[in-house]
Amino acid sequence: GAVVSQHPSRVICKSGTSVKIECRSLDFQATTMFWYRQFPKKSLMLMATSNEGSKATYEQGVEKDKFLINHASLTLSTLTVTSAHPEDSSFYICSATRTNTGELFFGEGSRLTVL
Amino acid sequence: AQRVTQPEKLLSVFKGAPVELKCNYSYSGSPELFWYVQYSRQRLQLLLRHISRESIKGFTADLNKGETSFHLKKPFAQEEDSAMYYCALSGGGGGNKLTFGTGTQLKVEL
Repeated sequence: GAVVSQHPSRVICKSGTSVKIECRSLDFQATTMFWYRQFPKKSLMLMATSNEGSKATYEQGVEKDKFLINHASLTLSTLTVTSAHPEDSSFYICSATRTNTGELFFGEGSRLTVL
Repeated sequence: AQRVTQPEKLLSVFKGAPVELKCNYSYSGSPELFWYVQYSRQRLQLLLRHISRESIKGFTADLNKGETSFHLKKPFAQEEDSAMYYCALSGGGGGNKLTFGTGTQLKVEL
């Protein structure tokens, strides 16, 4: 079956540094990917829609310069948390839409801890 | 604005008992509703969607536009049904742009 892989699954970084999280569709092409953030015991909050070859569309309240999204190929989208602070600590989840069928698949998530 | 409400954070039932996970939504147009499930230490996966009107693992959900609800039901709970269940809505701006509810943890006890 179709698989979406996120890397790293866990990352710890110091405050002020930048962290990159990758989302890959392993066996299908994904024109559109989505990035979510999940707070403890709360829902998944959509951060942005990532479209291959174009700029990401950010949801209201999400800082574009803080959360840089790049979707350079049909199988890879990256989320870079710039100048990370402890309040950015969270569980980040991506999902990818299979281009030829429209099905949506989720990655396993990446837990970011900023010290 | 679109919103999905799951009023129960935790639902505990005995094996063999009926299950109903509640979901209400707010959306001005014609939404597409989904139920996603997350088993322990696994990723989110689609359980069912209202347009397919199918039963998956014994679960069903009917879209009630009058009550703006999409409750998930199963007549006889199984231990393996224990998981986190999320109701989600898609409407406008791309078919897979989802708004999620806060989720309900279902615990099936023996």
